[in-house]
Amino acid sequence: ILNVEQSPQSLHVQEGDSTNFTCSFPSSNFYALHWYRWETAKSPEALFVMTLNGDEKKKGRISATLNTKEGYSYLYIKGSQPEDSATYLCAPSDDYKLSFGAGTTVTVRA
Amino acid sequence: GAVVSQHPSRVICKSGTSVKIECRSLDFQATTMFWYRQFPKQSLMLMATSNEGSKATYEQGVEKDKFLINHASLTLSTLTVTSAHPEDSSFYICSARVQGSYNSPLHFGNGTRLTVT
Repeated sequence: ILNVEQSPQSLHVQEGDSTNFTCSFPSSNFYALHWYRWETAKSPEALFVMTLNGDEKKKGRISATLNTKEGYSYLYIKGSQPEDSATYLCAPSDDYKLSFGAGTTVTVRA
Repeated sequence: GAVVSQHPSRVICKSGTSVKIECRSLDFQATTMFWYRQFPKQSLMLMATSNEGSKATYEQGVEKDKFLINHASLTLSTLTVTSAHPEDSSFYICSARVQGSYNSPLHFGNGTRLTVT
């Protein structure tokens, strides 16, 4: 099980504003980095799986970058909407097991 | 596609009783399923890896005799909390992959909120 840190723990953003937050993980023995979105009363939903240093992935207004050498990933939300309110989890994988961070809870205010 | 169903969503039981939680992959076969536990304001912690047709692999600190895992088919894994105590009260959630590789995403059930009184 890997030591994963996500910051901030929570943030509030005004509708229409953009935001970003980080995930830090051990850079050794890296296989992949997963991002999930977890909305209240639902199950976590996969956003991205990233494997290569310098990877950038995009899904609608959400994008993520990966730096495997220094062990961090950023997730960006552009033009936040109320439906983006959720907890965002990152999870590096060392082989087939994922280790989850505690998440960043995003609240978008209308 | 890739739907995982978990049942029950909530359960309240008395101390000393056992509780079974089911995790089903509805539209794919899962040779491996993962069971996580989450305490308030903490991260999802892997408890064990459930392997179809063989014994589960437990993480360090997880009692295998207390948390019995059975993965008898390619679509069903069960977690039984035996002789539950109030400290076992937690959120339990299962997940599975469509493909077995590390770069394949997990698909989660909705979780089970267990309260032991």
